[in-house]
Amino acid sequence: GIQVEQSPPDLILQEGANSTLRCNFSDSVNNLQWFHQNPWGQLINLFYIPSGTKQNGRLSATTVATERYSLLYISSSQTTDSGVYFCAVESLGDSWGKLQFGAGTQVVVTP
Amino acid sequence: EADIYQTPRYLVIGTGKKITLECSQTMGHDKMYWYQQDPGMELHLIHYSYGVNSTEKGDLSSESTVSRIRTEHFPLTLESARPSHTSQYLCASSRSSGANVLTFGAGSRLTVL
Repeated sequence: GIQVEQSPPDLILQEGANSTLRCNFSDSVNNLQWFHQNPWGQLINLFYIPSGTKQNGRLSATTVATERYSLLYISSSQTTDSGVYFCAVESLGDSWGKLQFGAGTQVVVTP
Repeated sequence: EADIYQTPRYLVIGTGKKITLECSQTMGHDKMYWYQQDPGMELHLIHYSYGVNSTEKGDLSSESTVSRIRTEHFPLTLESARPSHTSQYLCASSRSSGANVLTFGAGSRLTVL
């Protein structure tokens, strides 16, 4: 099956800093989503971004499908940005549409 | 605003007990999923459903079973809980047409003593 690798595994930021999270995948995809899991375990969809660039407030994401990677940018980080960020992909060859999750990036934003 | 609801949020239970984790969604989504997640780890798909009377096993083998009698309801059952079943169980749903964007419930954290 498709492999999803996220980096870095852990990230500690001071409030106000910017950061970039990366997601590499091993096959062509027709679906890529970024999720944020808060400390209480709730997963929130941040972006549906199989290709191109999107922005939502202080967050933005870019997927370069031909090179099989996606980047999530966090600007002017806040303590509420803490949590785990997951990238999930759906292989182009998957007729049903099952998402494969990466191992996540644990982000801690300190005051 | 949650459109997908999971109960219970937390459950501590003894070995051998039967448990059912409930999942309901109000969005009319055809596709529903159960993921299992150990603390600090990635999510693994254990069950999914295309629609009513359709259920499939996911990539991670699980002793749990599911049913889909109604579109909005996708319960997960463990007939005899064991400590190895201790984990967080996350339910999600998505539309069957257009972009396959998942909406997750808040999760059910199960501890088996």
